[in-house]
Amino acid sequence: GAGVSQSPRYKVAKRGQDVALRCDPISGHVSLFWYQQALGQGPEFLTYFQNEAQLDKSGLPSDRFFAERPEGSVSTLKIQRTQQEDSAVYLCASSLGPGLAPYNEQFFGPGTRLTVL
Amino acid sequence: GIQVEQSPPDLILQEGANSTLRCNFSDSVNNLQWFHQNPWGQLINLFYIPSGTKQNGRLSATTVATERYSLLYISSSQTTDSGVYFCAAMNSGYSTLTFGKGTMLLVSP
Repeated sequence: GAGVSQSPRYKVAKRGQDVALRCDPISGHVSLFWYQQALGQGPEFLTYFQNEAQLDKSGLPSDRFFAERPEGSVSTLKIQRTQQEDSAVYLCASSLGPGLAPYNEQFFGPGTRLTVL
Repeated sequence: GIQVEQSPPDLILQEGANSTLRCNFSDSVNNLQWFHQNPWGQLINLFYIPSGTKQNGRLSATTVATERYSLLYISSSQTTDSGVYFCAAMNSGYSTLTFGKGTMLLVSP
């Protein structure tokens, strides 16, 4: 596709439910990133994939958060036993690859707005 | 990790005015990007500018990497320029972007 796509765009979950958020990166992009954006704040890094390898998951806030990219394309961010503090916009981004300019320019999807009641 | 600070936090302009947004970063970078977040939350890429100067229509940006700052210039502002502007930087040797807190711009007619 022309850009990064994410689904669903909106998700309402009851506290304790599991949710799965999907990201389709730009075709051919090696690197994929997940960010979390709380209301009124800038996006914060969650995790990074290079192809199917998860190279950095230092930003995941707890072990309830899990991400995968099994075939090096589509990625899923899963949140187990959701809590109210998980309410945020989850953004996915992709880039051609790591390394020098311009391969590391990141392009963002529209985000999934998660509300936990 | 790298620290990114943006100023001012808020800016109100009359349509037609010019403005300068600033981004300071604490370490060497191999990526610096400016984004506009529209009211629907989409981050729109404005500039990829780890160094140098670029222009795109009424917008231009300059990054002075040796002094660790970047500037975004908006000329002849329009109401459609309203929204939040983010600067994000990537430290050399890392692969992830660190965002500033943003500048909220409101352009009134």
